Amino acid sequence: QKEVEQNSGPLSVPEGAIASLNCTYSDRVSQSFFWYRQYSGKSPELIMSIYSNGDKEDGRFTAQLNKASQYVSLLIRDSQPSDSATYLCAVNKNSGGYQKVTFGTGTKLQVIP
Amino acid sequence: KAGVTQTPRYLIKTRGQQVTLSCSPISGHRSVSWYQQTPGQGLQFLFEYFSETQRNKGNFPGRFSGRQFSNSRSEMNVSTLELGDSALYLCASRQGLTYEQYFGPGTRLTVT
Repeated sequence: QKEVEQNSGPLSVPEGAIASLNCTYSDRVSQSFFWYRQYSGKSPELIMSIYSNGDKEDGRFTAQLNKASQYVSLLIRDSQPSDSATYLCAVNKNSGGYQKVTFGTGTKLQVIP
Repeated sequence: KAGVTQTPRYLIKTRGQQVTLSCSPISGHRSVSWYQQTPGQGLQFLFEYFSETQRNKGNFPGRFSGRQFSNSRSEMNVSTLELGDSALYLCASRQGLTYEQYFGPGTRLTVT
C-alpha cells in the first residue's frame, strides 16, 4: 500500500463546476497535509495546508481533512481553464525522530471551457 | 521576497560523469530539501538539510549526496551518472516551523 494515494485522472470538469480531488494516506500518525498545484513543465506550487479535522477555505479552494478516515480532499469551486494542472497531495509525519514528507503521484485536472 | 532559485536550469551529461546542482532558499529559510521527479515515480525525496546538517535521507544510492552552507544555500551532487538519473531535480525551502515547502523552478538533467 502506498503511503499517499491519489487517482491519477485525468479528472475532467466543465468550466464553472466544482472539481473534487481526493487523497488517502496510510499512516494514522500523519500530522499535516498539503496540496500543491503543478502546471506542465513547472515546479509544484503550494496552494493549501491543513492541520486539523474539518474544512479550510481560501478563495475558491477548500481543503477537507478527515483523520479518522485518513483522507484529505481539495475542492475547487467555479473551476477555470487556468486550474488545469496536476494536483499533488503531500503528507507530513514524524518518522524515526525525523519529519518526513511524502507526496502522492498527483491527479491531473482538466477544466473544459 | 525572492523565491527559491536553482542553477543551472538545464544540464546534459553523459553516463559516468558527475554533476553538481545548486539551490538558494528563500531568505530566512533554514531548511532545504531535494526531490527527484520523474514521470513514472513522481516526486521522490532525496534529503533534507537544516542548519548545515542532514536531517533526513530518502532511499537513494550513495551516489547522491548533498551539503548545506552557512548561508543556507545547498548543493546536490550526483556521481557516476546513469541513464536513469535523467529527471527534474527540485529543491524546496521552508522556514523550519512548519512543513509548508516552497519549490524552486528545478534543474532538468538529461543523461545520455
